[in-house]
Amino acid sequence: EPEVTQTPSHQVTQMGQEVILRCVPISNHLYFYWYRQILGQKVEFLVSFYNNEISEKSEIFDDQFSVERPDGSNFTLKIRSTKLEDSAMYFCASNSDSPYEQYFGPGTRLTVT
Amino acid sequence: QKEVEQNSGPLSVPEGAIASLNCTYSDRVSQSFFWYRQYSGKSPELIMSIYSNGDKEDGRFTAQLNKASQYVSLLIRDSQPSDSATYLCAVTQNTGTASKLTFGTGTRLQVTL
Repeated sequence: EPEVTQTPSHQVTQMGQEVILRCVPISNHLYFYWYRQILGQKVEFLVSFYNNEISEKSEIFDDQFSVERPDGSNFTLKIRSTKLEDSAMYFCASNSDSPYEQYFGPGTRLTVT
Repeated sequence: QKEVEQNSGPLSVPEGAIASLNCTYSDRVSQSFFWYRQYSGKSPELIMSIYSNGDKEDGRFTAQLNKASQYVSLLIRDSQPSDSATYLCAVTQNTGTASKLTFGTGTRLQVTL
């Protein structure tokens, strides 16, 4: 069964460093998302992406964040200058045009020290 | 602020019993409703979607939607210890395009032997 994959599973970085989180959505899906979940809190939407552009972004997704689909399979989230409060699980998700169910990858645990 | 509300639990049910999980949402234009299961440290796993008023059954799971009351529920019949997890209610405004999920905080279910 097709699934969303994410790398790395765990990333440790120092405050102020840039990180890139990578995702491979399900191959026939058209819509891509990043969510994050701070430990003990709810899953929060960051950004959605369709047709090579951002469809919607949340207040969390400020100028330090960017997304890219560099080729036909990868979808990346870049954080330019990480802060302590960026420590969280980051989930990539995707869905097709129909049905609209979003499927999540296993997540990347980002730890900023 | 568009909210999705869930009782955080824990909801404790004996093995073999029916577990009933509830969710209310504030945004009347919400169109699509989902239940995800999340084991500790793992990503959300889609278990049910529902788009119209009424019941939808899939194996041991039944989702119920009442748009007039802005209420969605999940019943788990013949609960098993492996059902012990946090159940996340999620809603979207749209039935198509790149549509963000708004999550509740989740209800922790414990199935006891």
